[in-house]
Amino acid sequence: KQEVTQIPAALSVPEGENLVLNCSFTDSAIYNLQWFRQDPGKGLTSLLLIQSSQREQTSGRLNASLDKSSGRSTLYIAASQPGDSATYLCAVSDYKLSFGAGTTVTVRA
Amino acid sequence: GAVVSQHPSRVICKSGTSVKIECRSLDFQATTMFWYRQFPKQSLMLMATSNEGSKATYEQGVEKDKFLINHASLTLSTLTVTSAHPEDSSFYICSPGQGANTEAFFGQGTRLTVV
Repeated sequence: KQEVTQIPAALSVPEGENLVLNCSFTDSAIYNLQWFRQDPGKGLTSLLLIQSSQREQTSGRLNASLDKSSGRSTLYIAASQPGDSATYLCAVSDYKLSFGAGTTVTVRA
Repeated sequence: GAVVSQHPSRVICKSGTSVKIECRSLDFQATTMFWYRQFPKQSLMLMATSNEGSKATYEQGVEKDKFLINHASLTLSTLTVTSAHPEDSSFYICSPGQGANTEAFFGQGTRLTVV
């Protein structure tokens, strides 16, 4: 059974600082890994999708890396802003998605 | 990305009553719909997979008689929580299956509170 772990569970940083969010998974037989953002009481917004054959994906200030052999992914958010405050979830797909518990980020103005 | 409409966004019901949650795929035909549940401070857990025209597949530990899933058309899947109890209070969210290697999209979620 796939187990997905996200560290840290919570993170508080001053505005402008770079964010580093970690995700690890136990079974490397995945199709892809996806990072999501979830605002309180809301649904999930897809941020980045990394296919199993890829090493990284970038979108604006966001960059996600994937090391499938070691079962790790890292989401980098450059120059954080208060609007980045949310919970970030990673999920790995073997058709069904297995989610981590998320990292709750607070960016202080 | 795919447009998924889920409603209601919030519902409060009395213990013992049933609640129906609808999930519609607005811009494509979904033969499969995944239903997840999320308790506070926890990750999303897959409850069941609905398939258009056939029975849903439930994950281990999920009571199929309590969580009735119907996938009557390629654009609509429903989850009915029957005889709801306070422990069923949770955040329920749907996601249409679009293929193993594609980006997943989700509905807006439904916050269910059973009093």
